[in-house]
Amino acid sequence: NAGVTQTPKFQVLKTGQSMTLQCAQDMNHEYMSWYRQDPGMGLRLIHYSVGAGITDQGEVPNGYNVSRSTTEDFPLRLLSAAPSQTSVYFCASSYRSLTTNNEQFFGPGTRLTVL
Amino acid sequence: GNSVTQMEGPVTLSEEAFLTINCTYTATGYPSLFWYVQYPGEGLQLLLKATKADDKGSNKGFEATYRKETTSFHLEKGSVQVSDSAVYFCAFYSGSARQLTFGSGTQLTVLP
Repeated sequence: NAGVTQTPKFQVLKTGQSMTLQCAQDMNHEYMSWYRQDPGMGLRLIHYSVGAGITDQGEVPNGYNVSRSTTEDFPLRLLSAAPSQTSVYFCASSYRSLTTNNEQFFGPGTRLTVL
Repeated sequence: GNSVTQMEGPVTLSEEAFLTINCTYTATGYPSLFWYVQYPGEGLQLLLKATKADDKGSNKGFEATYRKETTSFHLEKGSVQVSDSAVYFCAFYSGSARQLTFGSGTQLTVLP
């Protein structure tokens, strides 16, 4: 199993550009989520999905869109990038919806810089 | 609101030294507590967890005990190795919030 994969690893955008961060998992996990990691702030939840066709907002959803058309894929879209979205983005998945006993598996991250 | 406060880094130790990384939390109810580790260039991995008061999580020589009375979950290891160099994140899951809440991470460097 490849686990959770993310592409690209690095990306530089100009303000106002759009892009999609890709996330895929091959573990047949129902639950997938996106976090951003900023210095001194830990990881913050952007959006999550409890299954294909179902998504919901996390702690910091503004400026981001998601969709979940298949179990495997959970792309994160930035419609109009802003410098405040400069961050490291992590995708994560778990077998079922997040509970005390479900371990989350994380991808390697995408480092995004918005100029 | 829900939050995690963990020891600020970076922390630099010599090989075989004793490690403690402090973590305290603010949460409603009875959260489950976790330590995740992030090795250079990789995503986070679950290191250990504890789901109820007085539980001790352990893995790879690391231990942490769920202390409800002090709302703490300090990470300890008796003898660190160079390979333990990583960023360590304390986190908790609260059913009411339906998400993991993370601390800001502590960078550990172990020198040979």
